Amino acid sequence: DGGITQSPKYLFRKEGQNVTLSCEQNLNHDAMYWYRQDPGQGLRLIYYSQIVNDFQKGDIAEGYSVSREKKESFPLTVTSAQKNPTAFYLCASSWGGGTGELFFGEGSRLTVL
Amino acid sequence: AQTVTQSQPEMSVQEAETVTLSCTYDTSESNYYLFWYKQPPSRQMILVIRQEAYKQQNATENRFSVNFQKAAKSFSLKISDSQLGDTAMYFCAFMKPLMYSGGGADGLTFGKGTHLIIQP
Repeated sequence: DGGITQSPKYLFRKEGQNVTLSCEQNLNHDAMYWYRQDPGQGLRLIYYSQIVNDFQKGDIAEGYSVSREKKESFPLTVTSAQKNPTAFYLCASSWGGGTGELFFGEGSRLTVL
Repeated sequence: AQTVTQSQPEMSVQEAETVTLSCTYDTSESNYYLFWYKQPPSRQMILVIRQEAYKQQNATENRFSVNFQKAAKSFSLKISDSQLGDTAMYFCAFMKPLMYSGGGADGLTFGKGTHLIIQP
């Protein structure tokens, strides 16, 4: 089945630790995105990538980093510089060109202890 | 920058009723796309309906339809014959086509959502 797989679903982290959230897609989509969801805030764009080896900051990129070494993969690292990392993180992908819908993964819930 | 506003944080209707969710947006672009996404308790985001700004005809998908008023920058979602499975968060979203992005942030800009509850 084609789709987007995020892992892990739930992750606990101690303050000061970096964590990496995985996002893999087998839809052959060119573009991939990371969003953060907080209660009452909707979804906010962290990073996006339109092609391999290229990515751009979104609206709330501070404290996060990404890589796009393969078309299928777009991992997100939440660094210790992120002041309030506890949130629900959603990965999405779409055909290139910015004209189509986004397909979403099931999300990863990060809790900082 | 684009903004999307959903003025109804929560709505509750009886099963089989019709409900309309409001969305307004602000942009200086003339060409763009608008979406309604549904997020049920499972938290999986599901596309409900999509509208291209250059099309005057309102999009329809089975029980779901939109009222797109470009001049007013309004994009409401109507759900007819509501069902218990329609209970979810509904997000309105705006997308500027990449070729017009001018290097700015891309992807979807979301509203804060409306929590729709369908009562039996």
